[in-house]
Amino acid sequence: GENVEQHPSTLSVQEGDSAVIKCTYSDSASNYFPWYKQELGKRPQLIIDIRSNVGEKKDQRIAVTLNKTAKHFSLHITETQPEDSAVYFCAAPGGYNKLIFGAGTRLAVHP
Amino acid sequence: DSGVTQTPKHLITATGQRVTLRCSPRSGDLSVYWYQQSLDQGLQFLIQYYNGEERAKGNILERFSAQQFPDLHSELNLSSLELGDSALYFCASSVGGDNQPQHFGDGTRLSIL
Repeated sequence: GENVEQHPSTLSVQEGDSAVIKCTYSDSASNYFPWYKQELGKRPQLIIDIRSNVGEKKDQRIAVTLNKTAKHFSLHITETQPEDSAVYFCAAPGGYNKLIFGAGTRLAVHP
Repeated sequence: DSGVTQTPKHLITATGQRVTLRCSPRSGDLSVYWYQQSLDQGLQFLIQYYNGEERAKGNILERFSAQQFPDLHSELNLSSLELGDSALYFCASSVGGDNQPQHFGDGTRLSIL
């Protein structure tokens, strides 16, 4: 079955810096990769997703890149702000519309 | 607001008891998913329903069961509760089919005393 590894588990940056979170997956047939942001005590919120027919997708300060050959995808956050502090989860398909989530990255943005 | 409604928001009960968590998916969504999130842990997939039928199972204990009703709402039943079942239980929904975004409800926080 699908296995998703996410790194790093924690990430601390200064406000204004960039943050990069990387995930690797095992199933080469996977073709949909969402990213979720979860603030403390709240629901996971879909922030961006990418399908395998594109290599990069951007939405304002966030972008996701996909390398199908290497089977990894990354979340890039530029010009980080304190409100970006949260836990970020990547995911990949693990069967019929089932998502397998990475273990999460706790991002702390310091003013 | 994701459009996915979960009730109750909080549930406190004792070991050995049985509880039912409820989820109403977004309007138009046919698939419902249940996830368990223990303290500072990731999201563990439990089970998925599509238009009333079970479609996928994850790490769901035999003490847990779920169903999706004709009006598409879903219930997750947890029985013979143990201390380790204390967690946040999330429901998510999607339109159905492969590779569709899942939208999460606000979760039910279950505390076992």
